[in-house]
Amino acid sequence: AQTVTQSQPEMSVQEAETVTLSCTYDTSENNYYLFWYKQPPSRQMILVIRQEAYKQQNATENRFSVNFQKAAKSFSLKISDSQLGDTAMYFCAFQGSVRGGADGLTFGKGTHLIIQP
Amino acid sequence: GAGVSQSPSNKVTEKGKDVELRCDPISGHTALYWYRQRLGQGLEFLIYFQGNSAPDKSGLPSDRFSAERTGESVSTLTIQRTQQEDSAVYLCASSLWVYNEQFFGPGTRLTVL
Repeated sequence: AQTVTQSQPEMSVQEAETVTLSCTYDTSENNYYLFWYKQPPSRQMILVIRQEAYKQQNATENRFSVNFQKAAKSFSLKISDSQLGDTAMYFCAFQGSVRGGADGLTFGKGTHLIIQP
Repeated sequence: GAGVSQSPSNKVTEKGKDVELRCDPISGHTALYWYRQRLGQGLEFLIYFQGNSAPDKSGLPSDRFSAERTGESVSTLTIQRTQQEDSAVYLCASSLWVYNEQFFGPGTRLTVL
């Protein structure tokens, strides 16, 4: 079974700073998908960024980028120029390809990110 | 277009009662997922539908839980004889295809007294 570990339960940074959230995972699969989801207090889960394991290039979405290290099984999220609206729980998630989606997404326990004004 | 909707948004029930939670996915999405999120925890996968079929139901926590999907659209998650440990937010997600982005609904907060 796959596992996802987020070792930072909570982080706090000042507005406009850069912050990096860490995520490691364990799998025996070679092809898989990795995600970062944001969950603000409204409870709505929002996809931040998606990475396909067979792509070596790190995914980027505006102020959000990842550092994907396949050999190390590491998938960190970097948020540049952080904004107050970035305050939320951030979940790292893994989806394998062997069972055709039947295992859904495996989530880490989350990192509560607080952006201070 | 409309996103994933879930009803009810909140449900309070007494221990031992049955509850039914509903999910309306985005139109045309073939894959549908149910997750459970206990207070302060990450999401726990429950079940996946491809079309109307669920290939594996082993993620359901107990035989009190069941789920179905009809018309490749609406899905219902039923919990029979609810227990206090069933209290959680139940989230539904859908995706165009199994490895595409999953779009989540707002969830149903279930409280079992």
